Amino acid sequence: SQQGEEDPQALSIQEGENATMNCSYKTSINNLQWYRQNSGRGLVHLILIRSNEREKHSGRLRVTLDTSKKSSSLLITASRAADTASYFCATDTSNYQLIWGAGTKLIIKP
Amino acid sequence: NAGVTQTPKFQVLKTGQSMTLQCAQDMNHNSMYWYRQDPGMGLRLIYYSASEGTTDKGEVPNGYNVSRLNKREFSLRLESAAPSQTSVYFCASNLDGSTRLVTFGSGTRLTVV
Repeated sequence: SQQGEEDPQALSIQEGENATMNCSYKTSINNLQWYRQNSGRGLVHLILIRSNEREKHSGRLRVTLDTSKKSSSLLITASRAADTASYFCATDTSNYQLIWGAGTKLIIKP
Repeated sequence: NAGVTQTPKFQVLKTGQSMTLQCAQDMNHNSMYWYRQDPGMGLRLIYYSASEGTTDKGEVPNGYNVSRLNKREFSLRLESAAPSQTSVYFCASNLDGSTRLVTFGSGTRLTVV
């Protein structure tokens, strides 16, 4: 079953613009994570936000979490060509099992 | 650092054939996982191993078996491959199974014809 759902499914922007993608989930969580997947590669952990946190920053990444709406957003500022990838949110419902969304495909145009 | 290494990277099987996907990690992680990724869907957990000597079913275990050979290695076996098992398979690991900070291998693209 799919817990997280990313929105939009695909996003194409110009280099230098900001990219925002959203994740909604269905059940209570302990934390929510964002991962990046470059084409043909494995997923790479970007950032984790705990359920008692509302916002977190890491470099050009800003993640927000609204537990009342069961949603999170990932903002990438000043996008670069190297940010072209698919982005996934994952939530934990119990130990050992992350529930993944279907991902947002981000394309940065030069 | 090698991280999580999967072999092979690509494989084509005929329906009914068997094969084993290999995975090894060199980070001294306790927990290891096998996922499959299908187009338009998120990752789905097939099996996991919380620690050496234990394995448990995930969301989609049917048609698969696993072996935690030692702390480093966690293999996934398809006994009789079916076209529905065409997918990209990822092995992953983390330190303590708390679901945080999972490190992934680069994947195995499997096609069953």
